[in-house]
Amino acid sequence: ETGVTQTPRHLVMGMTNKKSLKCEQHLGHNAMYWYKQSAKKPLELMFVYNFKEQTENNSVPSRFSPECPNSSHLFLHLHTLQPEDSALYLCASSQEGLLGGIEAPLHFGNGTRLTVT
Amino acid sequence: EDQVTQSPEALRLQEGESSSLNCSYTVSGLRGLFWYRQDPGKGPEFLFTLYSAGEEKEKERLKATLTKKESFLHITAPKPEDSATYLCAVQAANYGQNFVFGPGTRLSVLP
Repeated sequence: ETGVTQTPRHLVMGMTNKKSLKCEQHLGHNAMYWYKQSAKKPLELMFVYNFKEQTENNSVPSRFSPECPNSSHLFLHLHTLQPEDSALYLCASSQEGLLGGIEAPLHFGNGTRLTVT
Repeated sequence: EDQVTQSPEALRLQEGESSSLNCSYTVSGLRGLFWYRQDPGKGPEFLFTLYSAGEEKEKERLKATLTKKESFLHITAPKPEDSATYLCAVQAANYGQNFVFGPGTRLSVLP
């Protein structure tokens, strides 16, 4: 496996379900991200993890719960979602420089297409 | 307010017809401007990073340039396989680890 892999590719869930999205990066990077891509809207940052520590939470509702057990794996736990949460959820990774800050590019997985019914 | 805009929203070209896509930004403390290509059903694929005004990067039929207010992605003699949505993103000093993305330009190259 190379790059960033996401599973599942497609997910349909009811509003009362609980599900999880999984992301794994094989690039040796130390930062991982969740982005949301909705139709007709730019990519929106949800969460960032640096060395397994959450460093950004972009005012995301608590029905989305991230987990980063190590630098290679990232999860997004979903519960009691709303139909407006239907979107493409993209995981990305990058290598943060030693001096801090992020100027290296993001490397994305192919996303999970989520439909909430 | 910081903004990243892209134009045009959609562009249709004939094969071999060169053109340019625009990414305009109003941010202070730019640390990097990034171009991505996204095919339907896939995640964005990294193309270029530009760090300072005057910088240029090239890859095959694509050339990216940067000024203090905008970036252009020039496509020379495009082929149908260049059809995709092209996204730009900026990273700035006050963004933390956030990359702010533009809405994208959807490019169609007809044979």
